[in-house]
Amino acid sequence: KAGVTQTPRYLIKTRGQQVTLSCSPISGHRSVSWYQQTPGQGLQFLFEYFSETQRNKGNFPGRFSGRQFSNSRSEMNVSTLELGDSALYLCASSLLRAQETQYFGPGTRLLVL
Amino acid sequence: AQTVTQSQPEMSVQEAETVTLSCTYDTSESNYYLFWYKQPPSRQMILVIRQEAYKQQNATENRFSVNFQKAAKSFSLKISDSQLGDTAMYFCAFSPSNTNAGKSTFGDGTTLTVKP
Repeated sequence: KAGVTQTPRYLIKTRGQQVTLSCSPISGHRSVSWYQQTPGQGLQFLFEYFSETQRNKGNFPGRFSGRQFSNSRSEMNVSTLELGDSALYLCASSLLRAQETQYFGPGTRLLVL
Repeated sequence: AQTVTQSQPEMSVQEAETVTLSCTYDTSESNYYLFWYKQPPSRQMILVIRQEAYKQQNATENRFSVNFQKAAKSFSLKISDSQLGDTAMYFCAFSPSNTNAGKSTFGDGTTLTVKP
């Protein structure tokens, strides 16, 4: 099976812009979780989607949003970008909920200038 | 809220030796899952080992084993016969099994270097 794919892999934006990141889970996986990874804050949970519904959300401002489509593909959107949003954004899929093993994608590295 | 603490930011070990990475967590949940993930330099994060809290037996996967002490809320990872390919950042993670099942909490990571 193909692994988790994320597009784009690299992105450069300027403050105030918005960005949409995409994640395609492993075929058959229904849960997609998003994480922000930074050197200072480590890995922080953004949100989890299961069967097109957001099941959990981390402590991030409303500028961070996401959705999941019927084919389990997920997108996350960050509006009004700030310098502090520069990070590696990781997507992980699991068969059911995230207490199952999560399979991570390669990440999207976002740089906000 | 759950917290996961990895008290060793960096560790090193000689090839073929054994190393133990520490992880402690805090939770009021009675049932949950614990994980060790490995993130090699510039490569994808992959699962190393998984432990269900209701299982008393410690999980093992080839050279990797855990020492799970539920009462002490401790979940250490032992790597035996260390190999150069084990060089990576290792993350300990916690996931509850209730309605917050998807809300995983990760530790800050331990960078392990295996020296030839």
